[in-house]
Formats: sequence, structure tokens, C-alpha cells
Amino acid sequence: EAGVAQSPRYKIIEKRQSVAFWCNPISGHATLYWYQQILGQGPKLLIQFQNNGVVDDSQLPKDRFSAERLKGVDSTLKIQPAKLEDSAVYLCASSLAAGGGPRGYTFGSGTRLTVV
Amino acid sequence: GDSVTQMEGPVTLSEEAFLTINCTYTATGYPSLFWYVQYPGEGLQLLLKATKADDKGSNKGFEATYRKETTSFHLEKGSVQVSDSAVYFCALSDDKIIFGKGTRLHILP
Repeated sequence: EAGVAQSPRYKIIEKRQSVAFWCNPISGHATLYWYQQILGQGPKLLIQFQNNGVVDDSQLPKDRFSAERLKGVDSTLKIQPAKLEDSAVYLCASSLAAGGGPRGYTFGSGTRLTVV
Repeated sequence: GDSVTQMEGPVTLSEEAFLTINCTYTATGYPSLFWYVQYPGEGLQLLLKATKADDKGSNKGFEATYRKETTSFHLEKGSVQVSDSAVYFCALSDDKIIFGKGTRLHILP
């Protein structure tokens, strides 16, 4: 089975610019997550989708971050405007159901964002 | 809310040494517990998991036992190799997965 696809792999932008990341989860996975992993730290959940609805976005900085999952499949995460502290790896993960389901979670390779 | 605390690194060991990385958790329900590994330049990989109390997860010589009474899920390996050098994350899952801060492991030849 294909894994979780993310693009781009790397992105360098200047502060105050905007950027978007794309995620294609495993086919049939209802739950999709975006995580932010700052260098030297563990991944932090930004937003959780169940199909095309938001389940948890309590840690998403909504003044600059937005995410959508149209049609309950692909998802995009946007930052506008970016700040230096947004430099991180952005990970997308999916699972059959919330809580992981019988096969657990599958993570993509991530997008490494550098804001200069 | 739910949280995971794991020992700070870096941890440096010689090849063939015994490894323990401590992990404790706080949760209101009965979460599943995981260890993930991140090798240099690579993504997160599931190392092992346990879904209920007293379960033991194991993989690649690593093992961890779900201890409900001590809310712990310590990672152990009897004889580490240079190729085990990586960052290890303890995590719990209720309706979403929550990670600890990670422990960097260096194995010296």
C-alpha cells in the first residue's frame, strides 16, 4: 500500500511570505493529522481532521496558520505570513480512525521549512 | 491533558551495552503506547507499540512493557549497535497521538 505523500520535501522562504504544504493520506484513512516538529523537539499536533471536518485545532496558531481537507482526502496547510520561529518539519499522518485504528498511524516524510 | 515525559539526552553508550530509555505518561483514559524512532535525515518510524496494560511490544531487539501501575513504558535493548544511533520518541494515543520530546542516542563503536 502506498504511504502518506507530502510535498514539497524542502522549502525556503523569507519571513512574511506565505507557503503551502500538501498531504495525500493513505486511501481510505478517515483521520488526518498535521504536526509541527521544531529541531530538537517532539512533534506537536497542529490540527486533526475526521473526514473533512476539524476535530481538534486547539494548538493551531489561527492568526497565521490555516488548513483544509476538501472532500475528506487531500489536505493543505498554509502559513501566511511566515515567521522565523515557523522553521520546522511539518509532518502529515493518517489513520483509519481516530485513535489510530487497527493499523495505527502512518507518517509522511515531512516538509522541511526554513524561514530566513 | 495527556502528556508524555521521557529522559533527556543525549545518551551515549558503547556498542553491546544495555540500553534503557525511561518514559512515563499522564492520561485520563487507557491509551495505547508507542516508541517511534527517527534515524538521521529520515522520517518517523514506528518501532513498537502496546495497546493495554501488561502488554509487551518488541521489535529489532527492543522491547517495552506497558506498566499501568507506574504509568511507564520504558524502552530497553540488551545489546545496542552503532546502527541504533537515532532519536527515540515515546508517545501515547487516545484519539490522537502525543509525543514526548525525544531522546537522542549515540552508540560508539
